[in-house]
Amino acid sequence: NAGVMQNPRHLVRRRGQEARLRCSPMKGHSHVYWYRQLPEEGLKFMVYLQKENIIDESGMPKERFSAEFPKEGPSILRIQQVVRGDSAAYFCASSPGRSSYGYTFGSGTRLTVV
Amino acid sequence: AQSVTQLDSQVPVFEEAPVELRCNYSSSVSVYLFWYVQYPNQGLQLLLKYLSGSTLVKGINGFEAEFNKSQPSFHLRKPSVHISDTAEYFCAVSGEGSQGNLIFGKGTKLSVKP
Repeated sequence: NAGVMQNPRHLVRRRGQEARLRCSPMKGHSHVYWYRQLPEEGLKFMVYLQKENIIDESGMPKERFSAEFPKEGPSILRIQQVVRGDSAAYFCASSPGRSSYGYTFGSGTRLTVV
Repeated sequence: AQSVTQLDSQVPVFEEAPVELRCNYSSSVSVYLFWYVQYPNQGLQLLLKYLSGSTLVKGINGFEAEFNKSQPSFHLRKPSVHISDTAEYFCAVSGEGSQGNLIFGKGTKLSVKP
């Protein structure tokens, strides 16, 4: 039973390009959370999704960022027109239900904007 | 609003010595509390969690934490550390009424020296 799979592990984008980060939850998990980790900072919540629904996007920047979790396939975090400040590690976590009990994290995608 | 404060950004310690990583939090509601560990370039792994019941929680790798509602705090301890415990440790809190997203502290880097 594979864990939470994120790809790519490392992503380099030039300023103005688009970044697409993918997260495949654990088998049987239908809830996905995305977090961003900036250098010297803890993780900051971005968005919580269930299949085909955004439940809570209170941590998402209002512009350029979007997330989806389609009925089939992985969850996608999309960042349009990336800027240097978007450079960070992006982690997703999955759980079988809405969970305050702790969930399983992926290994993250490290985005570098040059 | 909930917040988490990890009082030490870095903790150097010699191998086989005891260690305590401090975590204070603030919340107006009952909370669930977590400690995660992050090894270099990896995701977060759950060490232990407090949901209810006994205030002393035992986790993996010989770690334990004590929930103190009066302070309020959730300090992490290990009686004898190993070189392999060198990592960054994050304290997190999730409110009972939340959607399941976690509020993280900024992390404590534990460095175990021979």
